[in-house]
Amino acid sequence: GAVVSQHPSRVICKSGTSVKIECRSLDFQATTMFWYRQFPKQSLMLMATSNEGSKATYEQGVEKDKFLINHASLTLSTLTVTSAHPEDSSFYICSARGSVADTQYFGPGTRLTVL
Amino acid sequence: KQEVTQIPAALSVPEGENLVLNCSFTDSAIYNLQWFRQDPGKGLTSLLLIQSSQREQTSGRLNASLDKSSGRSTLYIAASQPGDSATYLCAVTSGTYKYIFGTGTRLKVLA
Repeated sequence: GAVVSQHPSRVICKSGTSVKIECRSLDFQATTMFWYRQFPKQSLMLMATSNEGSKATYEQGVEKDKFLINHASLTLSTLTVTSAHPEDSSFYICSARGSVADTQYFGPGTRLTVL
Repeated sequence: KQEVTQIPAALSVPEGENLVLNCSFTDSAIYNLQWFRQDPGKGLTSLLLIQSSQREQTSGRLNASLDKSSGRSTLYIAASQPGDSATYLCAVTSGTYKYIFGTGTRLKVLA
């Protein structure tokens, strides 16, 4: 099946720094990618939808200036957490949807810890 | 606004039991419903995908049903094993392909 990778799988950073997370579709072109966030013992919450070559659409309550999303190619989307704070510590998962698929493929997730 | 709820939130059963996990959603205008498994600290493993026109899907010991009109889906696990221990998530999509996830059921199968 289709594969989606995320890098890094785990990152620890100091408060105030910025962190970039990459999401790649390895064997298909992803016209749309989604970013989700999961706090401990909670379900996944959609943060934003990104379409290749256009601005991301953010869900209500998600700060677009804090969570910068770039989908510059059909195989790569990046999420940058700017000026990270401890409350941004979470598990971030991306998913990718191809142009013909009826399903999405999820990445393995990135564990972000902000000290 | 679509809301997805899963019952029970947690379940602990002895090995070998058949069990049913429930998922309900408030807006029946869905595109599809998918069941996932998530191991602690890990990503998602897709188990079964049911299109809105389908009523059930089966894979091995797993069977998922969908009653779109009543906003419900069930995941049936036959002959449970300790390796089935995980969190099970259901999620629905609409025409925008955004997944709305349920609250999850944490399953523990005791040896």
